[in-house]
Parts: sequence; C-alpha cells; structure tokens
Amino acid sequence: ETGVTQTPRHLVMGMTNKKSLKCEQHLGHNAMYWYKQSAKKPLELMFVYNFKEQTENNSVPSRFSPECPNSSHLFLHLHTLQPEDSALYLCASSQRGRGAYEQYFGPGTRLTVT
Amino acid sequence: KNEVEQSPQNLTAQEGEFITINCSYSVGISALHWLQQHPGGGIVSLFMLSSGKKKHGRLIATINIQEKHSSLHITASHPRDSAVYICAVPNTGNQFYFGTGTSLTVIP
Repeated sequence: ETGVTQTPRHLVMGMTNKKSLKCEQHLGHNAMYWYKQSAKKPLELMFVYNFKEQTENNSVPSRFSPECPNSSHLFLHLHTLQPEDSALYLCASSQRGRGAYEQYFGPGTRLTVT
Repeated sequence: KNEVEQSPQNLTAQEGEFITINCSYSVGISALHWLQQHPGGGIVSLFMLSSGKKKHGRLIATINIQEKHSSLHITASHPRDSAVYICAVPNTGNQFYFGTGTSLTVIP
C-alpha cells in the first residue's frame, strides 16, 4: 500500500464511450502525475500537476483530458479513444513536482479500448 | 536514441546469485530513480540518488555522475525479487525519461 489509490482497476470501453479514471493520494503531497505504460514500451509521462496547476503536458492527444480539483485528487477524462490507447495508466504523487522528489505510484488502471 | 538505456533487458538468475542491472543516461539530471514493478503493474520506488551509493537491505544502488551511469545490485537474490526494474531520470525541469526496464527472474 503506497498511499495512492486508483479506480477503477480495470476498464473496458468502446471508442465512442466517455469514462474517467480517478486517483487519490493520502500522503499530503503537492504534485501528481499521469503515466501511460504500453506493452514493450517505456513509461511515458503524460501530465504533471504541481499545487493543482498543470506544469507539463507531453503532447498528449486532446481525447485525454486531466483534471486536478485539489492536491489530493487527480482525474483523467477519456473520450473517443482509439484501440492503441489500450494500456496501463498509472498515477503517482510526490512532495513537489520536481525530479528530486521520490514518487509514489498507484496500482494502475488497465484500460482496454474495443 | 533513448535518453536512458538499461541493460540487460532480460535476466535469469539462480537463487542466491549476485545481480547487477545497469543504467546509462544522456541528459542532465537532478536525481536518478530506481523503480520496481511486479506482475500486475504496481510500481514501488526503490531508490532516489544524486551521488554516491545507497543501500537498503539486500539492494544497493550506485551512481557516477561524471560517467552518467548507475547500477542496481541485488545480493543473495531470492525468487521474490523477480520483477521488472526501471531506471528513471528526471531532467532539471518536470520531464522524466524512463528506461525500458530489466525483467529479472530468480529461479529457486
């Protein structure tokens, strides 16, 4: 148990659906991250929020829309996804949004787009 | 070319063996992270280091900033060490670069 929870753990959705992934951290951290992990590929950083402000958006398609209402919660809204978006989506948090701080990861959401 | 290169990609060891996983990087960094990912996806941060050496139980991580190289060592390996080990390098901004991981299998 890392102090970071993600729901749902598994999600199957069609290309026309709209769904949301949720992440919550109970560590008092001020930075939260979304990562994508596809099979046989390195982790990819998608978004970074530091003190609720988005500080990084790594050219992620607009069909992925993040939301950070407060420092403890992070959402990833999904709409009109493609089959190649099927992957493990991981949330993480750290004390600050800089690389010199240890990151704590959630268990991930396994997403399948049909 | 990846900013972070790990070797080997796959590693099989007998229980009790000493294991070394290597990471080379090409970007300027503030710190280097070693992560462990078990089957099922969960990731645990093992070490964050910016110089020298750190030890936690049977795990040892070293870094040579001048050579841009880090190693993760596991002494007296055990089947429960079987996992994917990932090297992560943040640059001086908010960007993180990840290695492709080393898949370790320790056989009893």
